Amino acid sequence: DSGVTQTPKHLITATGQRVTLRCSPRSGDLSVYWYQQSLDQGLQFLIHYYNGEERAKGNILERFSAQQFPDLHSELNLSSLELGDSALYFCASSVGGQGAGDTQYFGPGTRLTVL
Amino acid sequence: AQSVTQPDIHITVSEGASLELRCNYSYGATPYLFWYVQSPGQGLQLLLKYFSGDTLVQGIKGFEAEFKRSQSSFNLRKPSVHWSDAAEYFCAVGAPSNDYKLSFGAGTTVTVRA
Repeated sequence: DSGVTQTPKHLITATGQRVTLRCSPRSGDLSVYWYQQSLDQGLQFLIHYYNGEERAKGNILERFSAQQFPDLHSELNLSSLELGDSALYFCASSVGGQGAGDTQYFGPGTRLTVL
Repeated sequence: AQSVTQPDIHITVSEGASLELRCNYSYGATPYLFWYVQSPGQGLQLLLKYFSGDTLVQGIKGFEAEFKRSQSSFNLRKPSVHWSDAAEYFCAVGAPSNDYKLSFGAGTTVTVRA
């Protein structure tokens, strides 16, 4: 158990819908990262927040957005969902804000299925 | 931009045999290098990392990796595999010049036979 929690574990929804994925970092960690793992794209970095501010952006679609709240939990919002958005979404956290320069601890993931 | 290649999609190894997983990276300087393991239904767990210094890095679960600058490689090894090592292994690279974003390889699935 990494100490990073993600809810829900599974999510099934329809095309065109909007969903919110939630992540709680390890106690004391200020950074939250979001990753998408799909069969065709592999594991891709989406976005990094450090202490409430966006620190780095990866291949995140405009239909997707994220934020980190004052209590440091984070939410990833996915809208106008398409079949291709079906994937495993991971959250990771770290103490500092240095991205790959810090050890990132991964949560168990949220499996999103878009029908 | 940085990139990572894991040439082997799937490797089958007998329990007790040695294991080597290959990783090649593309980057202008020495990046930060990582190996992660993902067991079925689980998140990723860091096995080891290389930032600088000694090119042979020891990790958890008996794994080690060697950084070879001349070959742009960071191969993962384990002398004797256990059935519990069956999992998917990801090599990753990050760099200060790229906002420290982690880029992952496609992964290598390891099957352990009795």
